[in-house]
Amino acid sequence: AQKITQTQPGMFVQEKEAVTLDCTYDTSDPSYGLFWYKQPSSGEMIFLIYQGSYDQQNATEGRYSLNFQKARKSANLVISASQLGDSAMYFCAMREGTTGNQFYFGTGTSLTVIP
Amino acid sequence: DAGITQSPRHKVTETGTPVTLRCHQTENHRYMYWYRQDPGHGLRLIHYSYGVKDTDKGEVSDGYSVSRSKTEDFLLTLESATSSQTSVYFCAISDSTGVNEQFFGPGTRLTVL
Repeated sequence: AQKITQTQPGMFVQEKEAVTLDCTYDTSDPSYGLFWYKQPSSGEMIFLIYQGSYDQQNATEGRYSLNFQKARKSANLVISASQLGDSAMYFCAMREGTTGNQFYFGTGTSLTVIP
Repeated sequence: DAGITQSPRHKVTETGTPVTLRCHQTENHRYMYWYRQDPGHGLRLIHYSYGVKDTDKGEVSDGYSVSRSKTEDFLLTLESATSSQTSVYFCAISDSTGVNEQFFGPGTRLTVL
């Protein structure tokens, strides 16, 4: 079974609108971390936001927030007030356990912001 | 930005030749990783290291070997390159404390003809 599933290969959003990128995960480990990364067309991977499995509140970082629904095993990324510079690939990832030995990435969602 | 460099940044080689990619970090992070990125597959873990001389296999390790003789360097070797190993290779590092997010290098584009 896939550890991380991103079901939206491509998404479009109007500038200044909010958009939600979906991510579901699969693990039986009670301790895990969920991450979102952005990859612009230039190719670098940029860390956006983190949610720990024991965190009670949804993580937020500026215009990024993570809608964490533990029972549903989903960790959707919400980008508010989209900007043209948000056009990029977005990857959801999971670290199982509390140390850094294994990360799993989804296949990514390509987001295009329309002026 | 985390201090991670990869060399070379681009390489074209022929089938059957050995290739070594280098990842160098200045952050003194414990964990280092090699991924490959292919369309439709996202990033897939090849090998990772949890300390000097301590390495383990990832999801797609066949045809690859790694070595880590110093904290700052993690080498990925393709003993005999094949066309299926044409890909973009990313090195990443993470610490053993806190969030453990991974910081990525700029990537190496490898083409095997």
